[in-house]
Order: sequence, then structure tokens, then C-alpha cells
Amino acid sequence: EDKVVQSPLSLVVHEGDTVTLNCSYEVTNFRSLLWYKQEKKAPTFLFMLTSSGIEKKSGRLSSILDKKELFSILNITATQTGDSAVYLCAFSAGGTSYGKLTFGQGTILTVHP
Amino acid sequence: KAGVTQTPRYLIKTRGQQVTLSCSPISGHRSVSWYQQTPGQGLQFLFEYFSETQRNKGNFPGRFSGRQFSNSRSEMNVSTLELGDSALYLCASFLGLAGSYNEQFFGPGTRLTVL
Repeated sequence: EDKVVQSPLSLVVHEGDTVTLNCSYEVTNFRSLLWYKQEKKAPTFLFMLTSSGIEKKSGRLSSILDKKELFSILNITATQTGDSAVYLCAFSAGGTSYGKLTFGQGTILTVHP
Repeated sequence: KAGVTQTPRYLIKTRGQQVTLSCSPISGHRSVSWYQQTPGQGLQFLFEYFSETQRNKGNFPGRFSGRQFSNSRSEMNVSTLELGDSALYLCASFLGLAGSYNEQFFGPGTRLTVL
């Protein structure tokens, strides 16, 4: 069965720290891996990684995809209190699963001032 | 460009009732996916619609159904509500073009409480 496992489940850091969030997946027909940030309500799209785009960076956030080892990491440098949120990892499979995202349980990040 | 909108934002129903939730995708997006989010199960896929056709379906009972209109707006319906249906219902909008990589953008969600 296709699945996504995120670690750690929760993380508490201080402003200025660097954090690394992990996402490992098992899927029979991998298409893409997506990262989202969820604060109060809707998940906000961060990155999408595919076979042709295994590294992405935006400001203090960056992500890589290792298709051989079946994992992805999300790095946040110089964390700020506004980075406090749940970070969700999801994959999209090909074939008949088009349009379906399978999510991990999320990592709760708390950044203290 | 306006984002994904969902109505209503909050809903309180009693067991046995039915409910209809609405989702308007980003202009130009032809696909809408629906998800249920609960503290215990996380985010789970319900179904996806493209060009008024259900293209994919998750593992939910038949009480959960949906449809899509010609303007890509989508509705989902839950009949005979149960306490366990209390959740945040999210819809996501994306281009939906087969063979392409489509990021999904989420609406604010509808918080359903079943009493």
C-alpha cells in the first residue's frame, strides 16, 4: 500500500535555528512529491519535486528529493516565529491515481522567540 | 488571480441530516479534488473531478458523493450524517491536464460539526 511517513512528528526550536523535516514514501508509480505548510486553515503550497526537478529553493526554505532512497527533506534556515505551522508532505502517483494526493501525518514545528 | 473559495465556512448539522459543500476553483483550473481532514486520520482523499467527470475516488462510503459543473465549480454531498463525519473538508484546484505535473492549491475549507 502506498504510504508517506514524516519525521519528526513535532519539533520545538528557537528563532534563528535551522530545521530539517523528513519525508519518506513508498509508492508503486511515483509522479511527484509536494510540500505544504498549514497554519490555521488551508494548506499552502510550498514546493513540488519531480524526476526532472529534484531540488527547489525559495528564500529560507529548500527541499530535495532522493528518488533512489525514496525520501525528501525540507530545510528551513534562520527560522522565525512565523514558520510555526504543520508541514505536510504528499505524493502524487501516476496512472489511475491522477488527482489524488496521499499525505503524511505532518510535522508540527514550533518556533519560540 | 482569485484563489479557491469554499462555502460555507462553518456548518453545524445533526446526525441523519445531509449537507452540501461548494468549491469554486481558481480561474482556468479544470480539476477539483476533495479531502477530509481529521485529527486522527489526517488528510484523506475523497474524490477528484475533471471536466464534470469523476476521475478518481478514495475509500469513503457511498454517503459521500460529488459533482462538477460546466464552469468547473464542484459540490460534495454527505448524506445520513454520522458523528464521525465531523471534520474539515478541503477542496483543491489544479489545471488537471493529463500528463503534466499539477500543483494542487487548497481552499480555506468548510468546518463541519455533526451533533
